[in-house]
Amino acid sequence: AQTVTQSQPEMSVQEAETVTLSCTYDTSENNYYLFWYKQPPSRQMILVIRQEAYKQQNATENRFSVNFQKAAKSFSLKISDSQLGDTAMYFCAFGMNTGFQKLVFGTGTRLLVSP
Amino acid sequence: DVKVTQSSRYLVKRTGEKVFLECVQDMDHENMFWYRQDPGLGLRLIYFSYDVKMKEKGDIPEGYSVSREKKERFSLILESASTNQTSMYLCASSLSGRSEAFFGQGTRLTVV
Repeated sequence: AQTVTQSQPEMSVQEAETVTLSCTYDTSENNYYLFWYKQPPSRQMILVIRQEAYKQQNATENRFSVNFQKAAKSFSLKISDSQLGDTAMYFCAFGMNTGFQKLVFGTGTRLLVSP
Repeated sequence: DVKVTQSSRYLVKRTGEKVFLECVQDMDHENMFWYRQDPGLGLRLIYFSYDVKMKEKGDIPEGYSVSREKKERFSLILESASTNQTSMYLCASSLSGRSEAFFGQGTRLTVV
């Protein structure tokens, strides 16, 4: 079974600074996806970024980028130029693309961006 | 845009009541999921369905059942609500072959 670990329950950053959220996972599979989801106070879960395990290049979406280390089973999220609207819970998730494609989530990191 | 709609944002029910949480998606997704979210525990999978009338248990199915009579609708049923089922419930859907899921806005259920 796959597991996802987020070891930082809470983090804070000032506006315009850079912050990195950590995630590690455990799996014996070779073909999978990793995701970062954002859950703002409105509770709507929003996909931030996706990484396919077979791709060596790290995914990037505007101010959001990942550092994917497959051998170390590490998948961190970097937020550059933090904005007040980035304040949210961030969940790391693991998903297979074969069989039942259910997601396994970490426990989340609460990020507070302050002025 | 994919839309996943949950019937209620907030519900308050009494212990022992039968509770129905409804979820509808409009993108013809094959897979649908019910997760429970609790502080410090993240999201835990209750049940999922990969086709009409098909269902599979997730990690915490005890005390819950599900129904999927139509492709777009997936219902979570609490047969006899208990206080330890007070939680946030999130519905999600995804295409077959894709693990990227789209979520509803969540239902915060309080059992008193």
